[in-house]
Amino acid sequence: EIVLTQSPGTLSLSPGERATLSCRASQSISSGFLAWYQQKPGQAPRLLIYGASSRATGIPDRFSGSGSGTDFTLTISRLEPEDFAVYYCQQYGSSPRITFGQGTRLEIK
Amino acid sequence: QVQLVQSGAEVKKPGASVKVSCKASGYTFTGYYIHWVRQAPGQGLEWVGWINPNSGGTNYAQKFQGWVTMTRDTSISTAYMELSRLRSDDTAVYYCARDLYPTITMVRGVGVAWGQGTLVTVSS
Repeated sequence: EIVLTQSPGTLSLSPGERATLSCRASQSISSGFLAWYQQKPGQAPRLLIYGASSRATGIPDRFSGSGSGTDFTLTISRLEPEDFAVYYCQQYGSSPRITFGQGTRLEIK
Repeated sequence: QVQLVQSGAEVKKPGASVKVSCKASGYTFTGYYIHWVRQAPGQGLEWVGWINPNSGGTNYAQKFQGWVTMTRDTSISTAYMELSRLRSDDTAVYYCARDLYPTITMVRGVGVAWGQGTLVTVSS
C-alpha cells in the first residue's frame, strides 16, 4: 500500500498570500495518478486536481498541481477567503489500493 | 447535472448491519464506477471500495474484505454499501462518489461527484 504524507499539518496564511501544500508518497505513483480534494466543514470533498496537474471542471486557475514520482504539490496562488479548508491528496496509481493523505488544514492567520 | 443522493442517517447497535444507498442521476449509471469512502469524526478520508455498476464487479480495500458488500440496482440507478458486524469505530460519515473516468477506460479512482454523506452511528 502506498502511504501518502502531507505537510504541513496546518498552514496559517492570510488572504492574498500564496499557499504551497506538499504530498509525499512512500513509493513512486505511476503515471502521476494523484488527485487533490478540498473539504469544508460539514461538506463532502470537492475534486480540485487529477492526474497531478489537471484542474477539474469549474476549478479556478489560482489552484495548480505539480509533481511526479513521489513528490507532489498543490499551489494556491492568491488565497481567497473561501479557500480556507482541509486539503487531501489521494493516489490512484496503485488502484484498487487507493489511499489518501492525512490532510492539511489551511487556516486564516 | 450529475447528482448522487444518499439515504439518511442510521443508528445501529454493535454487531448489527447497515445498508446505505446512493441514487444517481444526470448521467448513464452503468458508465462510471461508484466508490465508497468513509470519514470518522474529526478524521481523514478512507477508501472502502468500488463497484462497477455495469458488471456488478467489486473491489474492496483489504481492511474491509469479508464485512462489506457493495451491490447495485441498475433499474433504479442506485448503488448500495452494506457493512456487517458493526463496531463503535465504524461510526463515520459514509460517502459515495462517482468516478471521473468511464468504465471503459483502465483508469479509475477519482471521485468527481459526491453524495451528501450518510452518518452511521454505532452505539449500544
